[in-house]
Amino acid sequence: QVHLVQSGTEVKRPGSSVKVSCKASGGTFNNYAISWVRQAPGQGLEWMGRIIPIGDKTNYAPEFQGRVTMSADKSTSTAYMELHSLRFDDTAVYYCARSPMAVVVMGWCDPWGQGTLVTVSS
Amino acid sequence: EIVLTQSPGTLSLSPGERATLSCRASHSISSSYLAWYQQKPGQAPRLLIYATSGRAAGIPDRFSGSGSGTDFTLTISRLEPEDFAVYYCQQYGGSSTFGQGTKVEFK
Repeated sequence: QVHLVQSGTEVKRPGSSVKVSCKASGGTFNNYAISWVRQAPGQGLEWMGRIIPIGDKTNYAPEFQGRVTMSADKSTSTAYMELHSLRFDDTAVYYCARSPMAVVVMGWCDPWGQGTLVTVSS
Repeated sequence: EIVLTQSPGTLSLSPGERATLSCRASHSISSSYLAWYQQKPGQAPRLLIYATSGRAAGIPDRFSGSGSGTDFTLTISRLEPEDFAVYYCQQYGGSSTFGQGTKVEFK
């Protein structure tokens, strides 16, 4: 039974970058994709993209293309999401989740990490 | 990009009642690529339904999904107190998007 544990709360300045980690335990990391979803305060869910650790294949949502980098360290079963050029409206809880590994289809999300609050403040 | 529109925004019901939540897509999607999630305050979302009608592990059979093309439905046959939450649909074909959510609240 895979369990995803994310890194802790971050406070960042506008224009800087943040890197959130997501460590998988209790299951096989390499046979799945890791998706990233964020949720601004009081708002809905927003899909950011996903990475397939085997082959490091990434798919990004159009609104994040060029500003997000997803990566994975297979040796430690850890995925990373780095968001650059932070703005005030990037303040949100960022979630990682496991998704089925399929080349063309992005897949559902199950299970989810506990979430990482990123606050962008001057 | 496929836009998902959920309705109603809020559903006010009592325990034991039936809940019917709608998710409408801006373009036709395969029924293999539609999921539903439940989210309670302060918690991560939880997968309920995948591929339109497949129940995720551990999900009670009072939750069911149906639909095709552009119209999909999540039905909760008899609401339990723990079912009052926000529900999201997601399409996950060539890209992925979520609906804006439906809140099921106590009447």
